[in-house]
Amino acid sequence: DVKVTQSSRYLVKRTGEKVFLECVQDMDHENMFWYRQDPGLGLRLIYFSYDVKMKEKGDIPEGYSVSREKKERFSLILESASTNQTSMYLCASSLTGQYSPLHFGNGTRLTVT
Amino acid sequence: AQTVTQSQPEMSVQEAETVTLSCTYDTSESDYYLFWYKQPPSRQMILVIRQEAYKQQNATENRFSVNFQKAAKSFSLKISDSQLGDAAMYFCAYRRSYTGTASKLTFGTGTRLQVTL
Repeated sequence: DVKVTQSSRYLVKRTGEKVFLECVQDMDHENMFWYRQDPGLGLRLIYFSYDVKMKEKGDIPEGYSVSREKKERFSLILESASTNQTSMYLCASSLTGQYSPLHFGNGTRLTVT
Repeated sequence: AQTVTQSQPEMSVQEAETVTLSCTYDTSESDYYLFWYKQPPSRQMILVIRQEAYKQQNATENRFSVNFQKAAKSFSLKISDSQLGDAAMYFCAYRRSYTGTASKLTFGTGTRLQVTL
C-alpha cells in the first residue's frame, strides 16, 4: 500500500511565522501535490511537482512556496503565516499517467493565530 | 478552466438503501478522466471509483457505480446497500488528458453523506 505521511496532524502557529509542512511518500511516485481544503470550497491546488526540483503553480499559490529536493519528500512553506492561511492541508502523490489516482496523506490542520 | 460542481452539500440515506450523489463538470475537451473520492472523519482521502471519458461503459466497484453521461457532462455516484461506514464527505474530481507534465485533479466542493439506521 502507498503511504503518504504528513509530519503533523495539528499545528498552531503565530502570524508572521515561517511554517514548514512536510510530506513523504514511500512508493517512488513522480508526482506530488499540495492541496488546501476549506468548507464549502472543496480542495484547491496550491502547488505540484512532477520531478525532483521541478514545480508548478496550482490555482492558489500566493503566499506559499514549495521545495522538492528528494523524490520522496515535498515541502510546503508559508513564508509569513497569516490568519487566512488557517486551513486543512492535504498532500498527495501519484504515478505519471492520466488514469493514476492520487494517494493522500491524513492532512495537517493548521491554525494561525 | 475546468470546473466541477457538486450541487448537494449534504445528503442522507438509510442503511441498506440506495443513494445517488450528483456531479457535473465543465470542459471543452473530449478526452479526460473522472474520479470519486471519499473522505471519512479520519480525514484520509480514499479513491472510490474512476472513469475514463472515452469508455462508454459505466465503472463499477462492488456497491459503488457511476452514471456517466458524457453529453450532459454528468458523473453521478450511486451507492447501493448503504452501510454506516459509507458516511463521509464525497468529492468528485476531473483530470484532463495531457501529454506533458503531471496533470492536476480539479475537485468539486463535496457532498457530506449521512447514513442513518
